[in-house]
Amino acid sequence: GEDVEQSLFLSVREGDSSVINCTYTDSSSTYLYWYKQEPGAGLQLLTYIFSNMDMKQDQRLTVLLNKKDKHLSLRIADTQTGDSAIYFCAESSGRYGNKLVFGAGTILRVKS
Amino acid sequence: SQTIHQWPATLVQPVGSPLSLECTVEGTSNPNLYWYRQAAGRGLQLLFYSVGIGQISSEVPQNLSASRPQDRQFILSSKKLLLSDSGFYLCAWSVTSGMNTEAFFGQGTRLTVV
Repeated sequence: GEDVEQSLFLSVREGDSSVINCTYTDSSSTYLYWYKQEPGAGLQLLTYIFSNMDMKQDQRLTVLLNKKDKHLSLRIADTQTGDSAIYFCAESSGRYGNKLVFGAGTILRVKS
Repeated sequence: SQTIHQWPATLVQPVGSPLSLECTVEGTSNPNLYWYRQAAGRGLQLLFYSVGIGQISSEVPQNLSASRPQDRQFILSSKKLLLSDSGFYLCAWSVTSGMNTEAFFGQGTRLTVV
């Protein structure tokens, strides 16, 4: 079956780097995603990585994928107060008809 | 461009009353459609997903049902609401390109059952 797990909460100071971790169980996962949810709003796609990649960088965001350990991380450099939100890891594979499976979310709190 | 509309934004309903939440998508055809529930401000749970008109898959047994009467319309319903149905409900659609499934979410409906 499919399962995605994340750390529950992360608190960082403004200007520091944040690292949010995620593990998944489906070895056939083809794409892995990071979504951001701001208070009272829907989710927005931040970035994604294909399973044959180890790293993807997009401005302040760096995604690292360890396919052997089924571990995904999101690093936010120079974290700002506007980065405070819930971050969801998700994976998809053809095994389940391209259904997205989400983790429970990590609450990121940025202290000024 | 594609957009997703979900309404209402907030809803307060008494226990035992019926529910109907509607979601429509514009700018795409034959999308996959999803209903998620988020309880206590976190934890996204997939309730239903649909790959086509009249095709609904239920992920968890519950007091809710879903229907897809048209290609870009997805409805979440209940005949009699329970207190435990309170939560934040999110509609989403996705398109698959190759093996990449990217989802787009509505703004959500905050349901409070009293």
